[in-house]
Amino acid sequence: QQQVKQSPQSLIVQKGGISIINCAYENTAFDYFPWYQQFPGKGPALLIAIRPDVSEKKEGRFTISFNKSAKQFSLHIMDSQPGDSATYFCAASYGGATNKLIFGTGTLLAVQP
Amino acid sequence: DTEVTQTPKHLVMGMTNKKSLKCEQHMGHRAMYWYKQKAKKPPELMFVYSYEKLSINESVPSRFSPECPNSSLLNLHLHALQPEDSALYLCASSQGDRHYGYTFGSGTRLTVV
Repeated sequence: QQQVKQSPQSLIVQKGGISIINCAYENTAFDYFPWYQQFPGKGPALLIAIRPDVSEKKEGRFTISFNKSAKQFSLHIMDSQPGDSATYFCAASYGGATNKLIFGTGTLLAVQP
Repeated sequence: DTEVTQTPKHLVMGMTNKKSLKCEQHMGHRAMYWYKQKAKKPPELMFVYSYEKLSINESVPSRFSPECPNSSLLNLHLHALQPEDSALYLCASSQGDRHYGYTFGSGTRLTVV
């Protein structure tokens, strides 16, 4: 029940296309859903995050869509660029430091020029 | 300051060495974390300090010893490591009572020889 399932494992998108990564969870107590972007040799960087009281959040080319009833959330990258090529992790948590931030397994995105 | 700073960036150590990793944040976050990340995997939680007290130890071997001297600093002392301990070690911080703004450092790439 603490798992976050992420798909696909890898994704190839042409420059200018839309990249979509999906995550699903079971624990309805989760109340914070961040996405992290990680480049090789670097730490994960917080990209965008959403709370379950909204269905969508947009920051620039990045959008989180959240479906509370289906217990699913997704990251959409519009106008994908080669510089977006990285590993993306979704995550979920509730409460504070005494509860874990649960990570998905990651998606390796390659944007081809 | 919105960063988590980790030093050193790279570390090579022998199996009989003692070394320390350092992490610092000045965002007023009251929770700090150590993670271990292997290639192509999500970060694995090792330790959590909440309000300068160890609140989670994920059954980490005693050759890893965390220390939180104050609310801005977190150390990880290493002793008698094994080659399989080679990984990217990440520090993170968040608001103590919620996971909002969970921020990672760039990590220390550790190689045990």
